[in-house]
Amino acid sequence: ETGVTQTPRHLVMGMTNKKSLKCEQHLGHNAMYWYKQSAKKPLELMFVYSLEERVENNSVPSRFSPECPNSSHLFLHLHTLQPEDSALYLCASSLGPGTSLSFGPGTRLLVL
Amino acid sequence: GIQVEQSPPDLILQEGANSTLRCNFSDSVNNLQWFHQNPWGQLINLFYIPSGTKQNGRLSATTVATERYSLLYISSSQTTDSGVYFCAVGPNSGNTPLVFGKGTRLSVIA
Repeated sequence: ETGVTQTPRHLVMGMTNKKSLKCEQHLGHNAMYWYKQSAKKPLELMFVYSLEERVENNSVPSRFSPECPNSSHLFLHLHTLQPEDSALYLCASSLGPGTSLSFGPGTRLLVL
Repeated sequence: GIQVEQSPPDLILQEGANSTLRCNFSDSVNNLQWFHQNPWGQLINLFYIPSGTKQNGRLSATTVATERYSLLYISSSQTTDSGVYFCAVGPNSGNTPLVFGKGTRLSVIA
């Protein structure tokens, strides 16, 4: 596979569930990102990892927990989410912070 | 923080028409990128253009950093150009993450 892949593409979960979103990049990049896109809102940066270290955490609620085990993989662990967390979650990667971003196809999340 | 404004918010074009999308930003930047989000949500990076002019097929972009704006030109539009176009900027203060505008929603009709 090439580029940035995300699984699952769609997810429906209850507020008491625990699930994880997975992102993998095949571009040799060193930085990975999680963005949230809600209806009628600009893309919101959630987390940035550079060389597997978290360098940005934009006041995201603790019910979202990122994990970056290596420079090719990024996870977003979800637990006790709220209905307002329903959104498109986009993973991206770049050579480093401040360079050209490549996005994955996103995971559409619905929290019931 | 830096503000990013895109105009127009919505645009409807007849197939074959040309258009210009604008991105204004409130501070000096060292990073500016244009993206196209298709109706299925996939974001494609169109240009990395903190200054100057670039062209890629029917698309071209110009950033005038000293005047704090960038323009995206779409010529001979096709229905596949439909979607949302986002401008994203990175302030001059180090490698800070991109700030996205609200986008321009383009609909190209046959």
